[in-house]
Amino acid sequence: DAGVIQSPRHEVTEMGQEVTLRCKPISGHNSLFWYRQTMMRGLELLIYFNNNVPIDDSGMPEDRFSAKMPNASFSTLKIQPSEPRDSAVYFCASSRDFRDTQYFGPGTRLTVL
Amino acid sequence: QQQVKQSPQSLIVQKGGIPIINCAYENTAFDYFPWYQQFPGKGPALLIAIRPDVSEKKEGRFTISFNKSAKQFSLHIMDSQPGDSATYFCAASPRRSFGNEKLTFGTGTRLTIIP
Repeated sequence: DAGVIQSPRHEVTEMGQEVTLRCKPISGHNSLFWYRQTMMRGLELLIYFNNNVPIDDSGMPEDRFSAKMPNASFSTLKIQPSEPRDSAVYFCASSRDFRDTQYFGPGTRLTVL
Repeated sequence: QQQVKQSPQSLIVQKGGIPIINCAYENTAFDYFPWYQQFPGKGPALLIAIRPDVSEKKEGRFTISFNKSAKQFSLHIMDSQPGDSATYFCAASPRRSFGNEKLTFGTGTRLTIIP
């Protein structure tokens, strides 16, 4: 079992650029979560999907952030335009369904200069 | 708005000692309280979890103590080992959620076990 796969692992970009983070959940898992981790705010849930449908996006900070899940094996989190305050580690997690344990990926460390 | 307060921020304990990490919450709708362990460069992993119908849960060397009236819960690690050195997060989710999809995390405790 490969676990949750995220890419890229590290991303450095300049303010104003578009950033796309990618996630492949564990095969057979129906729920997918995007989190952001910073020193100041800890781990925050941004959005989660169930059966590819966004269920709750109340944690998405603003309209610059968007997330999609076009199929059961792929999701993206896009930031456009990026700002320095978006610098954080972004985690993707998946679970069999929303009642079950969430398994986290290794994260993408984003630095916006 | 931080709904789960975690302390201490960092903790250094001698091998064999019992580190204790504390969390407090305000939202009485919370009814699921997991702890996650995170090693550097890795994502958090579920360690142990408790619901408020019990006051204590043990899994191996890890114990959660829960005080519903005080709205506090804590993680104890018995016979701590250098391999337990990691960042630990408490979390909570509300009764209205079906499972743990609405987790609110504490800010984490960096634990170091010295030989």
